[in-house]
Amino acid sequence: EAQVTQNPRYLITVTGKKLTVTCSQNMNHEYMSWYRQDPGLGLRQIYYSMNVEVTDKGDVPEGYKVSRKEKRNFPLILESPSPNQTSLYFCASTDRLNTEAFFGQGTRLTVV
Amino acid sequence: DAKTTQPNSMESNEEEPVHLPCNHSTISGTDYIHWYRQLPSQGPEYVIHGLTSNVNNRMASLAIAEDRKSSTLILHRATLRDAAVYYCILRWGDGQNFVFGPGTRLSVLP
Repeated sequence: EAQVTQNPRYLITVTGKKLTVTCSQNMNHEYMSWYRQDPGLGLRQIYYSMNVEVTDKGDVPEGYKVSRKEKRNFPLILESPSPNQTSLYFCASTDRLNTEAFFGQGTRLTVV
Repeated sequence: DAKTTQPNSMESNEEEPVHLPCNHSTISGTDYIHWYRQLPSQGPEYVIHGLTSNVNNRMASLAIAEDRKSSTLILHRATLRDAAVYYCILRWGDGQNFVFGPGTRLSVLP
């Protein structure tokens, strides 16, 4: 079954404690991206990757890092989380520019 | 950036057709029109996409105006499970930038 898997689904952490949210896809897709969703602000892109070792900033990249060392994985790293990064995060993947994108189930992050 | 405009909310009765409009008056010739929906507590889900011609799939139909400045997502028989936020998105550029607007919140009444 084609899917994008995010872990963890829920996370509560403290300010400043580094964390990683993993994202893995089983479809051999080239393109992967991360979004955050906040009430009233909708979905905003954080980072995207067009292929292994190729990443670029989206609309709201501050405070986040990503890496793409292998095609299937695209982890989101928060080196020093802050409360304003409390949000619902989604990972997505697709194989070409204009085909169906698959989204993960989301990671709800709370930073206290 | 080409943007889309959708009504904030719409209501439909169960088993009736639903027409969800989207305006994209600044669309460029290479922009594809995509529709996604987000059910409560879930990630966005692909519905349909097209370039110029009308498109049909098992979930919905997409009607694209001749000038491409607007489109309509058609759910032929709404069910309670179709209650969601529907996003009309133009996909552009050489990257992966989905630009999500606020979408249309569809309520389906039994």
